[in-house]
Amino acid sequence: DAKTTQPNSMESNEEEPVHLPCNHSTISGTDYIHWYRQLPSQGPEYVIHGLTSNVNNRMASLAIAEDRKSSTLILHRATLRDAAVYYCILGSYQTGANNLFFGTGTRLTVIP
Amino acid sequence: GAGVSQTPSNKVTEKGKYVELRCDPISGHTALYWYRQSLGQGPEFLIYFQGTGAADDSGLPNDRFFAVRPEGSVSTLKIQRTERGDSAVYLCASSPSGAPGNTIYFGEGSWLTVV
Repeated sequence: DAKTTQPNSMESNEEEPVHLPCNHSTISGTDYIHWYRQLPSQGPEYVIHGLTSNVNNRMASLAIAEDRKSSTLILHRATLRDAAVYYCILGSYQTGANNLFFGTGTRLTVIP
Repeated sequence: GAGVSQTPSNKVTEKGKYVELRCDPISGHTALYWYRQSLGQGPEFLIYFQGTGAADDSGLPNDRFFAVRPEGSVSTLKIQRTERGDSAVYLCASSPSGAPGNTIYFGEGSWLTVV
């Protein structure tokens, strides 16, 4: 499975934008980029996913580099409830399956 | 609610005992996944069901671990002769189908402690 690299931790001030980076230099043409997050004592929850173009939804935006070797999850205005571990995952569609393989993620701390 | 439900939420068992963990997926979801998460680590894939059959069980660590989904809805993860190293949170998830791109919905997990 193609690997991703994320910083272990990041901090942000409340109500400021947060940019969470992810490197995936070995991404293949059929890999989607998924982001999930895990709040304390909860299961992971879906945030956003994309293939080539930038994506926006009510939770966040996903900016994908032109060569697709990196991406950035953007939280436009961090709240205390956004404090979580954020996982960047490549979904290999070559297998035809949907199971995802998690790394260790980035732990985001939001400072009031 | 209508989310993925897991029972028990917490289980303490003695080394060597047998344990069953249950997962009720979201109604209508054909794909079901089991993950295991140790402290400070990301979830580790164990097994994936499409309907009643295990489409991918490559993540099961050894033959002490087994999972079933006999009617294509509820699934049970079974662990025989538990070891202290099996202590972890066991996460179940489901998605509408196994097709790539489907959002995966996770339960809150079953915390297993082997003493």
